[in-house]
Amino acid sequence: SQQGEEDPQALSIQEGENATMNCSYKTSINNLQWYRQNSGRGLVHLILIRSNEREKHSGRLRVTLDTSKKSSSLLITASRAADTASYFCAPSTGTSYGKLTFGQGTILTVHP
Amino acid sequence: KAGVTQTPRYLIKTRGQQVTLSCSPISGHRSVSWYQQTPGQGLQFLFEYFSETQRNKGNFPGRFSGRQFSNSRSEMNVSTLELGDSALYLCASSPGQDAQPQHFGDGTRLSIL
Repeated sequence: SQQGEEDPQALSIQEGENATMNCSYKTSINNLQWYRQNSGRGLVHLILIRSNEREKHSGRLRVTLDTSKKSSSLLITASRAADTASYFCAPSTGTSYGKLTFGQGTILTVHP
Repeated sequence: KAGVTQTPRYLIKTRGQQVTLSCSPISGHRSVSWYQQTPGQGLQFLFEYFSETQRNKGNFPGRFSGRQFSNSRSEMNVSTLELGDSALYLCASSPGQDAQPQHFGDGTRLSIL
């Protein structure tokens, strides 16, 4: 596995706005996962995107993957106060199995 | 399906003691991974067990150990506790193949006095 670096470190928006956070990594990957963590809780899996995919959607979430730039982005549309959380990406080289390596994450605050 | 269950939720120990944390994975999941989360170091991978065997290991001292039972339940043990071991310890389970989502428990909050 390898570590992803999330950017920005913190993001503050109003309810109804869109939130975009980015993830960069250093070497070729097999897949990349995004997770959310509410304060003091465990991580929740959001989306897994494979290296041969460019975009994936799940509800209000849209994830893109650009393997040429070694980067991924997570877009949350029409944000809600309940989306307030930390968001982490976890790129994987394909032999990581249960070993995920996380960066410091993006702290998203959505103001009502 | 019940989620990943970690016990206890909170634990207070003193330096030099040892502690055992427990994790019950989702039924049918054979892989259990452990992570340590601290404000300074973030989320760090400790180890992964699959079918009772350690399959991956992070960069932690030998004071941190784990095991997995035949029913896939896992325990981790920390001996000779240090102040720096204060953290949220998370476990995650998955069926065990690569490129599969990890399902996390809500963790055990360990405080060392």
